[in-house]
Order: sequence, then structure tokens, then C-alpha cells
Amino acid sequence: AQKVTQAQTEISVVEKEDVTLDCVYETRDTTYYLFWYKQPPSGELVFLIRRNSFDEQNEISGRYSWNFQKSTSSFNFTITASQVVDSAVYFCALSEGAGTYKYIFGTGTRLKVLA
Amino acid sequence: GAVVSQHPSWVICKSGTSVKIECRSLDFQATTMFWYRQFPKQSLMLMATSNEGSKATYEQGVEKDKFLINHASLTLSTLTVTSAHPEDSSFYICSARDPNPPPDRVWDEQFFGPGTRLTVL
Repeated sequence: AQKVTQAQTEISVVEKEDVTLDCVYETRDTTYYLFWYKQPPSGELVFLIRRNSFDEQNEISGRYSWNFQKSTSSFNFTITASQVVDSAVYFCALSEGAGTYKYIFGTGTRLKVLA
Repeated sequence: GAVVSQHPSWVICKSGTSVKIECRSLDFQATTMFWYRQFPKQSLMLMATSNEGSKATYEQGVEKDKFLINHASLTLSTLTVTSAHPEDSSFYICSARDPNPPPDRVWDEQFFGPGTRLTVL
């Protein structure tokens, strides 16, 4: 069965600290997509990144970086020099692939960045 | 591009009434739309998959007669919560899939609406 695990329920850091949000997934598909979304208090999901199963290159976008490792089925997200505006709930999601196109969401990690 | 809107943003209704939530893809045609429900401090739970011109496919445990879904056009899907009760109070989010994505997108990608907060008194 397909599954996404975000073991960290809530993380608190002080501004300017680096923080890594973990995401571990399970799937039997060889082709799949992984996503990260940010959900601020307003509720609207903000797309952060998409990664397909054949692209294991790590990605950096400003203060954000992602580490995709198929060997450990992990797709971790790091925020460097965190800011108060980063406070939100972050969801990792796995696409079930062609046919259903459903997303499996993790339970989310609530990040609190303290000034 | 790939914008999805929802209306209303929030709604308060009395117990026993029905509430309709609209989900629109503004700049693409969506053959498939999804409806999610999110309780406070919880993850998104997929309720149903809505396919244009056909009946919705509901996830296990979701009452079809309670949550009516209509996807009558390629840009509009509606969710009607019938005879709403306080336990139906939740944040409802829709998403849409573009079946003909441009080169910088993928078939699997969903675009999410801003959500509708429903409170049933």
C-alpha cells in the first residue's frame, strides 16, 4: 500500500536556525511523483516542489532545499536560516500515478519559528 | 496559469440546511477534480474524485448521499453538503488536474483551490 509518513508532528525553532522536515514514503510503483506543500494559517496550500522518481538530484531554491533518496524512500525538506514567515504546516504528498492521479498526503509537520 | 478558485471562501449555515461549494479551474479544462476535507490540525482526506460527465467516485467511508458531487462542465465541479450538521463543519479543499499540461507541468500534478471553511451551527 502507498503511504507517506511525516514523523515530526511539530517542530519549534528559533529564527535563523536551520530545520529539516522529514518525509518517508512507501510505494510499489516505479514511476511516481513527490510533492511538498506549505499551508499557512489562511489554509491555502502553497506548492513548493515536485520531484519525479527518476530524478534524484537534490534541489535548492533560495533558503529551501530538498534531499531525495530512493534508497531510503525519503524526500526531506530543509529550510536554511528560518524566518517567522516560515511558520506553517508542511505536507509531503505522493502521487499514486497514472490511472487514479490521487495524492497520498502525510499527516503534516507544524513548524513554529520563534522570533 | 493553472488557477483554481473556490466559492464561497467561508460559509455559516444552520443545521439541517444544504450548502453548495463551487470549484472552478480558471485557465484550463479539468476532466478530473478532487474534493478533500480537512479537520483542524489534521491532514487532507480525499473524499471523492470527480470526473466530468460521469458519476463521482467516493472514497471508502464517505456518504454519497450526504456529499453530492456534480462535475457538469470541464471547468466546474460542485460539492453539496446535504442536511448539514455540526460534525460536517470542516475545511473543504478542491483540486483539479490538467489533462493536457504544458511542457513544464506533469500529468500527475493537482492544482488546489484556496478552500472553503464550513461552519454548521
